[in-house]
Amino acid sequence: DTEVTQTPKHLVMGMTNKKSLKCEQHMGHRAMYWYKQKAKKPPELMFVYSYEKLSINESVPSRFSPECPNSSLLNLHLHALQPEDSALYLCASSQEPGNPHPYNSPLHFGNGTRLTVT
Amino acid sequence: ELKVEQNPLFLSMQEGKNYTIYCNYSTTSDRLYWYRQDPGKSLESLFVLLSNGAVKQEGRLMASLDTKARLSTLHITAAVHDLSATYFCASTRGQFYFGTGTSLTVIP
Repeated sequence: DTEVTQTPKHLVMGMTNKKSLKCEQHMGHRAMYWYKQKAKKPPELMFVYSYEKLSINESVPSRFSPECPNSSLLNLHLHALQPEDSALYLCASSQEPGNPHPYNSPLHFGNGTRLTVT
Repeated sequence: ELKVEQNPLFLSMQEGKNYTIYCNYSTTSDRLYWYRQDPGKSLESLFVLLSNGAVKQEGRLMASLDTKARLSTLHITAAVHDLSATYFCASTRGQFYFGTGTSLTVIP
């Protein structure tokens, strides 16, 4: 069982829909991440939140909008997506309390949301 | 930007054989991680290597790090079918940089 919970597991949406992906962790981690993964490719970093503030945005199109309501929750709001945005979206967390650097501990990944844009 | 390359990209090996996956990274990094991903599943952390000469072992997998050569290896001993998965290395320098992945299939 993963300690990072993502919902929904699967999502099919049309190009005009608005939907949200949700991620929750209760390990006290201070950094949370969104990754996008296409089949047979490595995960691609989209966003990093550190202490609830957006610290990295890897030039992601504005149709993806992240939100970190508190240290345990991370959302990804989706609007006007394209079919090429279909992928596995992975949430991850790292950085235990007292650890000064988010990259000094492994990423803990959720099980992902399989997104299909029609 | 730190670039991380793995080889081979695809590996088909017989049960009981040994093999090594290589992970090269382009510039000095902080740490080196290995992850496993089963088809359609998430990534599971296997090892974290902190310093030059570090070696970690778990079951039939052993990971090592040579920071001078900017190289990490994942050695598989006496492969079994359960090890079939995609293996990613990731190096860190301000963020995580994932390697290209090695898709491993162990055949009887």
